[in-house]
Amino acid sequence: EAQVTQNPRYLITVTGKKLTVTCSQNMNHEYMSWYRQDPGLGLRQIYYSMNVEVTDKGDVPEGYKVSRKEKRNFPLILESPSPNQTSLYFCASSLYRDHYNSPLHFGNGTRLTVT
Amino acid sequence: GENVEQHPSTLSVQEGDSAVIKCTYSDSASNYFPWYKQELGKRPQLIIDIRSNVGEKKDQRIAVTLNKTAKHFSLHITETQPEDSAVYFCAASGHSSYKLIFGSGTRLLVRP
Repeated sequence: EAQVTQNPRYLITVTGKKLTVTCSQNMNHEYMSWYRQDPGLGLRQIYYSMNVEVTDKGDVPEGYKVSRKEKRNFPLILESPSPNQTSLYFCASSLYRDHYNSPLHFGNGTRLTVT
Repeated sequence: GENVEQHPSTLSVQEGDSAVIKCTYSDSASNYFPWYKQELGKRPQLIIDIRSNVGEKKDQRIAVTLNKTAKHFSLHITETQPEDSAVYFCAASGHSSYKLIFGSGTRLLVRP
């Protein structure tokens, strides 16, 4: 089944403890992206990647890192999580980098709580 | 950069009535406008999209209209059903833009 898989679904951690949220897609998609969803703010882009070893900042990149060493994987890294990073995170991918020609497919989300 | 505003933030309608959600965008170069539906506890899923070369698109009970001059687009749901209850997001993307900018979302409640 074609899908975007995120892990874990739920994560509770403490301030400053490094964590990684994994994202993998099996559709050979070129483009991958991370969003965070907060009430009243919609979906805001954190980072995106147009291909292997090509990443760029979205609108809210502070406090996050990403890597794209393989086409299928795009992990989100929080080196030193803080409570303001408590949020619902979505990974997404699309076949092409140009959204005009390929819709975005979302993973099931990761709810992160930082205490 | 692109900015997308979405209204209303919440919408409550009686089953069978119509619902309209409106979005405005700032970048006149934007040419792709998708709508996503997010049911409670689930991921956003694409329900309909429109490109700038058309003014309206329909898919059964849902339709999207685009006014490029005014830089706004709308989602219309007719004959609403309880299963239409969800959060709806509009978004906009420019030509050769690698970013999809989302609105803040509309929580639609369809009362039986």
